[in-house]
Amino acid sequence: GENVEQHPSTLSVQEGDSAVIKCTYSDSASNYFPWYKQELGKGPQLIIDIRSNVGEKKDQRIAVTLNKTAKHFSLHITETQPEDSAVYFCAATGKTSYDKVIFGPGTSLSVIP
Amino acid sequence: GAVVSQHPSWVICKSGTSVKIECRSLDFQATTMFWYRQFPKQSLMLMATSNEGSKATYEQGVEKDKFLINHASLTLSTLTVTSAHPEDSSFYICSARGPSGRNEQFFGPGTRLTVL
Repeated sequence: GENVEQHPSTLSVQEGDSAVIKCTYSDSASNYFPWYKQELGKGPQLIIDIRSNVGEKKDQRIAVTLNKTAKHFSLHITETQPEDSAVYFCAATGKTSYDKVIFGPGTSLSVIP
Repeated sequence: GAVVSQHPSWVICKSGTSVKIECRSLDFQATTMFWYRQFPKQSLMLMATSNEGSKATYEQGVEKDKFLINHASLTLSTLTVTSAHPEDSSFYICSARGPSGRNEQFFGPGTRLTVL
């Protein structure tokens, strides 16, 4: 089955700096890679996603890149703000609508004002 | 759009009692919903896949007789933790496959269960 790894487990950045979180996956059949932000005591919120037919996607301060050959995908947050502080999870899933979403272990991001 | 709600948001119960958690898709129909459990400072672990009108599919190691799932309508799935014990205390989160029929999953706000 699919296995998703994520690094780093914790990340502290100064406000205004960039943050990068990297993930790898094991199943070459996976073709959908969402990123979730989870604040304390709340459910995960989808912030951006990318499909295997695209190498990069950007939405304002957030961008995701995908390297299918290497089975790597990364989240980039620019101009970080204190409200970006949260736990971020990468995930991978397959083609059919019933495929499971497999989550990485998470990255705790702290943005220092 | 694509809002998922859960009820209750938190519950405290005595050991040996049963607790029911509801998951609703508010503005779309969801033939498939998922139930996750999350322990403190850990990732989400899939417990089961809930399919409307049929039996749920449980992940390995999850007791189906302990975690009863019912998906009786296209907007409601319920998880019942039967004979709860302190080790069942956790954050339970549901998600629903989005209305586009594609892979997106939208998550509920979670339910904090504490078993005394």
